[in-house]
Amino acid sequence: AQSVTQLGSHVSVSEGALVLLRCNYSSSVPPYLFWYVQYPNQGLQLLLKYTTGATLVKGINGFEAEFKKSETSFHLTKPSAHMSDAAEYFCAVSDSSGNTPLVFGKGTRLSVIA
Amino acid sequence: DAGVIQSPRHEVTEMGQEVTLRCKPISGHNSLFWYRQTMMRGLELLIYFNNNVPIDDSGMPEDRFSAKMPNASFSTLKIQPSEPRDSAVYFCASRAGTSGNEQFFGPGTRLTVL
Repeated sequence: AQSVTQLGSHVSVSEGALVLLRCNYSSSVPPYLFWYVQYPNQGLQLLLKYTTGATLVKGINGFEAEFKKSETSFHLTKPSAHMSDAAEYFCAVSDSSGNTPLVFGKGTRLSVIA
Repeated sequence: DAGVIQSPRHEVTEMGQEVTLRCKPISGHNSLFWYRQTMMRGLELLIYFNNNVPIDDSGMPEDRFSAKMPNASFSTLKIQPSEPRDSAVYFCASRAGTSGNEQFFGPGTRLTVL
């Protein structure tokens, strides 16, 4: 079975500060890892994903994440927060079969303070 | 590409009434997922289909909930009878059957049961 733990249900940062959202996963097979963002009153949008290859993955809006197998982590970072980054962020894991649903974490709400 | 289409976007109904939510997945996608999102429970997977066949409905909360996928371009989630605790945002997502496993989400239906 696979699972995701997102540390911190709510993270608050100042505008221009580093954003770090934590995600740890559990998987008995090589994982595929995802970060989704949900803006208010909208559906989830893919920010970035890791499948194979380079462990540092770059996504939209300046976000990136690094797959660290030894730490079973896939933390999301952005060097400088913008007000428009305020949203809910979900980490998700799956296997490579393409036949099973993504397993989502409980989400982290990011607030950006001016 | 129109993306995943859900209707209605908002639904307000009275307890005991039947509610039908509709979803049109992205053309060519062969997996479809229904999720429910509430403040208390977060994002919950209700049921998913592969090639129009229900694979796992263990997330369906009660027999009052049912889902169908009569063809590759349409799915419904029905609640009969509805109860106030069913109030939530219901998301539909679809996925192509290729490696990468990205799920594309619709905008959601906000259901309020009075």
